[in-house]
Amino acid sequence: GEEVAQTPKHLVRGEGQKAKLYCAPIKGHSYVFWYQQVLKNEFKFLISFQNENVFDETGMPKERFSAKCLPNSPCSLEIQATKLEDSAVYFCASSQSVEGTDTQYFGPGTRLTVL
Amino acid sequence: GEDVEQSLFLSVREGDSSVINCTYTDSSSTYLYWYKQEPGAGLQLLTYIFSNMDMKQDQRLTVLLNKKDKHLSLRIADTQTGDSAIYFCSGRNAGNMLTFGGGTRLMVKP
Repeated sequence: GEEVAQTPKHLVRGEGQKAKLYCAPIKGHSYVFWYQQVLKNEFKFLISFQNENVFDETGMPKERFSAKCLPNSPCSLEIQATKLEDSAVYFCASSQSVEGTDTQYFGPGTRLTVL
Repeated sequence: GEDVEQSLFLSVREGDSSVINCTYTDSSSTYLYWYKQEPGAGLQLLTYIFSNMDMKQDQRLTVLLNKKDKHLSLRIADTQTGDSAIYFCSGRNAGNMLTFGGGTRLMVKP
């Protein structure tokens, strides 16, 4: 598609439950990025993919968080055993490459609320 | 890693110019970006500047880069109420990871 699509728009989970978020990058874009925006508007980079391969996972919490980008499927970000501090808006972005002026285009985000 | 800092809030009157400032620490950033976020929405890319440029103009937007001082600014001419939003300064590292400032909330008064 022409836009980055993210589902669901809102997700509410009880503490300890699993949360799974999805992202469909713009068609033809090889790179996918996940960011977490917490209450004070701070963006934190989580992980990036080049096609189905992890490109950079330096921001990914070691525990409970995992992500995948499989061929012919939306990318996913999964949080096992959610905690209150996981409440945030999770943004996905995609780009054609990491060269030149290729910029990242952002999806509308998924708001995760952990109660 | 990159640290990016912005002032939290700016208020201007409709028709005035707005100047949003940003400082960053990583001199190896190749591209610097300005994104706009409206309430409940994702990030909209406004403009970018390559690190070897001093200035870039795009319609009502002017980006100034002082690489020596690591200072980036976004000037919006003839600010409109529709420009009210949060503006994020961002730098891109070699791995294409973006590091964002905390955002500047621009309020435009009629």
